[in-house]
Amino acid sequence: NAGVTQTPKFQVLKTGQSMTLQCAQDMNHEYMSWYRQDPGMGLRLIHYSVGAGITDQGEVPNGYNVSRSTTEDFPLRLLSAAPSQTSVYFCASSSTALSGRAEDTQYFGPGTRLTVL
Amino acid sequence: AQRVTQPEKLLSVFKGAPVELKCNYSYSGSPELFWYVQYSRQRLQLLLRHISRESIKGFTADLNKGETSFHLKKPFAQEEDSAMYYCALGDTGFQKLVFGTGTRLLVSP
Repeated sequence: NAGVTQTPKFQVLKTGQSMTLQCAQDMNHEYMSWYRQDPGMGLRLIHYSVGAGITDQGEVPNGYNVSRSTTEDFPLRLLSAAPSQTSVYFCASSSTALSGRAEDTQYFGPGTRLTVL
Repeated sequence: AQRVTQPEKLLSVFKGAPVELKCNYSYSGSPELFWYVQYSRQRLQLLLRHISRESIKGFTADLNKGETSFHLKKPFAQEEDSAMYYCALGDTGFQKLVFGTGTRLLVSP
């Protein structure tokens, strides 16, 4: 299993450009999430999904869209990039609701480092 | 509202010294608490979870509901423990994790 994969690893955008960060998992996990990691602020939840066709907002959803058409994929779209979206983005997945059991562990992708000029 | 507080941005210790990374939380329900670790240039990975009461790489963490704390401890730090540590609170049922701001642990020889 490849686990959770993210592409691209690095991206530089100009203000106003749009792009999609890709996230895929091959563990048949129902739950997937997007976080952004900023210095001094830890990881903040952007959007999450509890299954195909179901998404919801996290703590910092503004400026981002998501969709979940398949179990495997959970892309994150930036419609009009802003410098405030410069960050490292992590995708995560887990099999079921968090209960502390080993099989419910959240697995993280390697991250995408995004710079918006 | 759920909140996780890690008061120390940086903790610097010498090899062999004890380590305690502090974590306090606020949550009205029954908390699911985790410690995640991120080594340099690696992805975030689960270190331990409170419900399993396990010890991983010599680290332990005890949930203290009275003090709403979940401090991470290790009696003798090793250089390879140098990393970023995040405490996280789980919103049971919805797979949402609320992270603290992280503590960078530096273990010097």
